Amino acid sequence: DAMVIQNPRYQVTQFGKPVTLSCSQTLNHNVMYWYQQKSSQAPKLLFHYYDKDFNNEADTPDNFQSRRPNTSFCFLDIRSPGLGDAAMYLCATSRDGGEKNIQYFGAGTRLSVL
Amino acid sequence: GNSVTQMEGPVTLSEEAFLTINCTYTATGYPSLFWYVQYPGEGLQLLLKATKADDKGSNKGFEATYRKETTSFHLEKGSVQVSDSAVYFCALRNQGGKLIFGQGTELSVKP
Repeated sequence: DAMVIQNPRYQVTQFGKPVTLSCSQTLNHNVMYWYQQKSSQAPKLLFHYYDKDFNNEADTPDNFQSRRPNTSFCFLDIRSPGLGDAAMYLCATSRDGGEKNIQYFGAGTRLSVL
Repeated sequence: GNSVTQMEGPVTLSEEAFLTINCTYTATGYPSLFWYVQYPGEGLQLLLKATKADDKGSNKGFEATYRKETTSFHLEKGSVQVSDSAVYFCALRNQGGKLIFGQGTELSVKP
């Protein structure tokens, strides 16, 4: 029973061509996160939504944007992908932002930039 | 600041060997601690967690004990299987709710 669903699993885009990755959840969690994970590295938080409130990490490039139209869905938009943006993108959710709450991850979308 | 340090991999073991992956942390307060596992080509799955000192998290034969005095959360398993081959991430969740990951340790189990 997938609870955090990411589509597609694999995405290929061209250099500079906008791309959108999607994430949906059936957990009714308040918080949704987007991480970028490059090869052999730990996931790096890009931003998160607490309900409708958007929280950007200080070092997230402007090229990365996000939308959360409702509780269940969250999108990651890359406006002009560069070769350095090729990575696995992970979506996660948690019931709230408290320190004891668990983050549940989706299977990820692997993005290739040609 | 908050940080997590894991032993470097890759770790290569034979099936049924004993596994230890060391994890130490630096944090203010008393963070919750987690181990996540990432199988090849997949996202992260929560393996186990502990929310306070001396708590032991366990799942699928893996265990880790929250040691406040040594600021450690080492992962152990008595007898590994080939199917345990994956990357293991230790993480803490700070007071602001953010997950801080270690760099990951790749485990390879040979038949």
